[in-house]
Amino acid sequence: EAEVAQSPRYKITEKSQAVAFWCDPISGHATLYWYRQILGQGPELLVQFQDESVVDDSQLPKDRFSAERLKGVDSTLKIQPAELGDSAMYLCASSPRTGTKNIQYFGAGTRLSVL
Amino acid sequence: QKEVEQNSGPLSVPEGAIASLNCTYSDRGSQSFFWYRQYSGKSPELIMFIYSNGDKEDGRFTAQLNKASQYVSLLIRDSQPSDSATYLCAVLLYNQGGKLIFGQGTELSVKP
Repeated sequence: EAEVAQSPRYKITEKSQAVAFWCDPISGHATLYWYRQILGQGPELLVQFQDESVVDDSQLPKDRFSAERLKGVDSTLKIQPAELGDSAMYLCASSPRTGTKNIQYFGAGTRLSVL
Repeated sequence: QKEVEQNSGPLSVPEGAIASLNCTYSDRGSQSFFWYRQYSGKSPELIMFIYSNGDKEDGRFTAQLNKASQYVSLLIRDSQPSDSATYLCAVLLYNQGGKLIFGQGTELSVKP
C-alpha cells in the first residue's frame, strides 16, 4: 500500500539550531502539504505545493521557515533558527489533485522537540 | 468564531454503545467534510468523508451532514476500546484553493 514517507520520525534540537524535515508523497500525487500540529490542537497548514509551485504559504513563518519541492516530487521543510515554540508534530500529506473532492493522506510525521 | 469547532471532550462511552461526535463550521461555501482518527502520538488517518447532505455509512461508522445548519457528525456504533482516539473534523474550503481546516479534535474513550 502506497504511503507518504517522512523522516526523521523524531528530532531533538537546541534552540537557535537548524532543523530539516523530508517528505516523499504517494507516487503520482501532485499536491503536497506541510502541517504543524501542536499538542491538543488540530493540524494547521503551513504550506501547500501544486507540483513544484507554492499554492499557499500564508501561515508559514517566513522569517525562520522555508519549504521547497524542487522537482515536484519530494519536499523539504527547514527551520532556522529553531525556537522553543516550534516543538510540535510536523505532518506531511499528499493528494492526487485539488478540488472539492480532494482527499489528503498523511505521513507518520516528525516529532520535533526544541530544548 | 473558529472556522471549525468540536467539543474537546473527553467523551467517554461504554463498550458496545454508540459514540456521537459533533462538528460545526462557519464557511457556508464549504463543500467537503472529512473525519480523521488520530491515536496518541500517531498521524491522522482518514476514516470517512462526505460531500452531500444526509447520511453516509461505512461499517460501524456513519457520517451525517446538514449544510443548512452547518453541522457534521460522526456516529460510531458498537464502540470498541480500539476506537479510543482523538477524532478530527476537517472542512475543505474550496474558495481558498482547497485548504483543509481542522477542528481541535474530540478525545473519545471507550471503556471495557
